[in-house]
Amino acid sequence: TQLLEQSPQFLSIQEGENLTVYCNSSSVFSSLQWYRQEPGEGPVLLVTVVTGGEVKKLKRLTFQFGDARKDSSLHITAAQTGDTGLYLCAGLNAGNMLTFGGGTRLMVKP
Amino acid sequence: DTAVSQTPKYLVTQMGNDKSIKCEQNLGHDTMYWYKQDSKKFLKIMFSYNNKELIINETVPNRFSPKSPDKAHLNLHINSLELGDSAVYFCASSRGPSGSDTQYFGPGTRLTVL
Repeated sequence: TQLLEQSPQFLSIQEGENLTVYCNSSSVFSSLQWYRQEPGEGPVLLVTVVTGGEVKKLKRLTFQFGDARKDSSLHITAAQTGDTGLYLCAGLNAGNMLTFGGGTRLMVKP
Repeated sequence: DTAVSQTPKYLVTQMGNDKSIKCEQNLGHDTMYWYKQDSKKFLKIMFSYNNKELIINETVPNRFSPKSPDKAHLNLHINSLELGDSAVYFCASSRGPSGSDTQYFGPGTRLTVL
């Protein structure tokens, strides 16, 4: 079973702070996706990273795929209250299925 | 317009009952999915259908039976509900069955079994 572990599980910060959340596995994935899920809603895809070492930016969010394609990180610069939510990573395995991590619950306080 | 919709939003029922959750997508996608999200927020795939044909069945108990009457609908029927079935169930759809195709999720159905 391929497992994706996300850390931290919970993160509470003040508006304006920077933060990094991690997604780690012992397995190699062909690609890795990051989602954000708000209460009462389904996950929404933020980005897909495919190449080892790839870095993608989405406004204040920076996503990196590890060189070995086993891990990924999401860095948020100058967090805003609108960034509050559950951040999920999901790896695409050789069986063409997505394996999701347990998520990082982020709360950004004003 | 809602892309992927599910009904009901909330479902509270007694152990042993049979219930159904409905899902519809208006994106013209060929592939639809059911996921289960437990209390620890782990999202696990249950089923995937492509053009009304089952392509993924992830060791889900036989009490769960998906049905796809057409490409735009994927319903989930659950027999003999158990306490452990309590979770949020998400329907999703994608253009095709490739894992690299973006999946669009519905708002979820929170099932509580008493």
